[in-house]
Amino acid sequence: KAGVTQTPRYLIKTRGQQVTLSCSPISGHRSVSWYQQTPGQGLQFLFEYFSETQRNKGNFPGRFSGRQFSNSRSEMNVSTLELGDSALYLCASSLETGGYGYTFGSGTRLTVV
Amino acid sequence: GENVEQHPSTLSVQEGDSAVIKCTYSDSASNYFPWYKQELGKGPQLIIDIRSNVGEKKDQRIAVTLNKTAKHFSLHITETQPEDSAVYFCAASRETSGTYKYIFGTGTRLKVLA
Repeated sequence: KAGVTQTPRYLIKTRGQQVTLSCSPISGHRSVSWYQQTPGQGLQFLFEYFSETQRNKGNFPGRFSGRQFSNSRSEMNVSTLELGDSALYLCASSLETGGYGYTFGSGTRLTVV
Repeated sequence: GENVEQHPSTLSVQEGDSAVIKCTYSDSASNYFPWYKQELGKGPQLIIDIRSNVGEKKDQRIAVTLNKTAKHFSLHITETQPEDSAVYFCAASRETSGTYKYIFGTGTRLKVLA
């Protein structure tokens, strides 16, 4: 079966711009979670969507937002980009909420210059 | 706040030897403990997980043990192979009334020397 698909794979943006990342979960998975991965902070939870509703949220500023569509695809948006937002953004899908049995995508590498 | 400590940060073993990675968590309410393997250019891949009502789980060459009293859990890889070389992450999660906290360890870079 197809895995979790994240687009684009690489992105370069300028400070102050905004960016939208996309994630298509495994067919049948209704939960989509987003993580930020950096060498200094490791893997940090951003938020989780389940059946189009945000169920859980990490400790990130309001510049980070997301949404989920009726087909379970999810988008993540970061506004007013800062240099510190440079990271690998990972999407993970699962059948149920709670992070059980995550399947991760390969991520979107965002570089802010 | 809650955290998960993971040791060692790097580990080199000879092919065929065993590798052990240890994690300690602080939140006693944690009840789910997965392990992930991340290869270069890829996202983490779930390799084994254990829930708090189980003390040990094994899947071929991989096993995880959990000690809830001491709040630590370990990943054991036997008969290591070069393709086991990757970064391994542990995580601890607890779910309370529909909300959950999911905290990853800092990762262990495993090198299996041929």
